[in-house]
Amino acid sequence: DSGVTQTPKHLITATGQRVTLRCSPRSGDLSVYWYQQSLDQGLQFLIQYYNGEERAKGNILERFSAQQFPDLHSELNLSSLELGDSALYFCASSALFSGAPLPNTEAFFGQGTRLTVV
Amino acid sequence: DQQVKQNSPSLSVQEGRISILNCDYTNSMFDYFLWYKKYPAEGPTFLISISSIKDKNEDGRFTVFLNKSAKHLSLHIVPSQPGDSAVYFCAASASGNQFYFGTGTSLTVIP
Repeated sequence: DSGVTQTPKHLITATGQRVTLRCSPRSGDLSVYWYQQSLDQGLQFLIQYYNGEERAKGNILERFSAQQFPDLHSELNLSSLELGDSALYFCASSALFSGAPLPNTEAFFGQGTRLTVV
Repeated sequence: DQQVKQNSPSLSVQEGRISILNCDYTNSMFDYFLWYKKYPAEGPTFLISISSIKDKNEDGRFTVFLNKSAKHLSLHIVPSQPGDSAVYFCAASASGNQFYFGTGTSLTVIP
């Protein structure tokens, strides 16, 4: 158990709909990352939050948005869903700190949410 | 732009032999490298890492080698076991920023 909790585990929805994926990071981790893994693809970085603020943005579509709340849990909102959005969405957390020097630390992943858009 | 590349999508190795998984990167600012292992329907789990100030890190059967001049790292698994069969992702980060992942190499260890 990585300590990162993602809900729901599975989600089936229709095109054009909006869904929210939830992530609770490991206790004490301030950084949360969202990744998308499509079929036979690697882990595509979407976005990172650190202590409630957006820290880095990857290949995240404008239809997607995320936020991190004061209790450090994070939500990924996907709207106007298309068939191509079907994928595994992973959340990860780490104890990365903002500013220097930064300790090297790994990211811990949740079990993922499998989104199927029909 | 894929900053971390794993050019071998799959690898098959006999049980007991060495498995060598390779990874190349393009960003010279990367200073921390990691390997993750992923089973189907599970999230990636951290396996081993290496800082850019080192060229080798060993943990049991797993050793990661880093060649900074070639921007290349590799994961050696010796001896390979059937339970090692999984997808292995290489990842890198720069100054504590987001982790960039490769596309993964599917390792099959044949009993």
